[in-house]
Amino acid sequence: DADVTQTPRNRITKTGKRIMLECSQTKGHDRMYWYRQDPGLGLRLIYYSFDVKDINKGEISDGYSVSRQAQAKFSLSLESAIPNQTALYFCATSDQTTLTDTQYFGPGTRLTVL
Amino acid sequence: DQQVKQNSPSLSVQEGRISILNCDYTNSMFDYFLWYKKYPAEGPTFLISISSIKDKNEDGRFTVFLNKSAKHLSLHIVPSQPGDSAVYFCAARYNQGGKLIFGQGTELSVKP
Repeated sequence: DADVTQTPRNRITKTGKRIMLECSQTKGHDRMYWYRQDPGLGLRLIYYSFDVKDINKGEISDGYSVSRQAQAKFSLSLESAIPNQTALYFCATSDQTTLTDTQYFGPGTRLTVL
Repeated sequence: DQQVKQNSPSLSVQEGRISILNCDYTNSMFDYFLWYKKYPAEGPTFLISISSIKDKNEDGRFTVFLNKSAKHLSLHIVPSQPGDSAVYFCAARYNQGGKLIFGQGTELSVKP
């Protein structure tokens, strides 16, 4: 079983709709992250959470919100989707007790906003 | 303002030869550098990392070199194999902050 899972894997929606992307992990990590990938831009950090009561904005948080429902769950919401939010979205986790704090990624959600 | 840059969007190499992927950065506060590999329809997977106090780290066919004075790191793959064909991202971590800053990625193609 995958350690970091994302649902849905693919989603097509219309402009103005509210969308939630979900991430669950069984790694027992305390830190979780949401990124988006766009061609030519690499991965950019949207939000991150270092524990259940901690939420922080990343470099591109406008238009997004998150919820850390439990240590294992971190959801990303688009309150009113717009076409330029079409992208590949990745959730990641890391363990702060390790020296490198290496991040482990889920398989991604491909979101298309029409 | 791109703090981590991979200036080559793509690289093509013959099987058995060396692949060299490059990455430049601007922030002296980065304390760890990591390379991730990404196959289509999958999430990035961790490949190798290097601390800012080292200049080389080796793991099997993969070696990462860090030149702090030039703010440059490179990933060497020797020998390259067709299964190495993927997009490679370099990433830099702020001083124990956990957050990673990623480069744009380089698509490596290893031809049989």
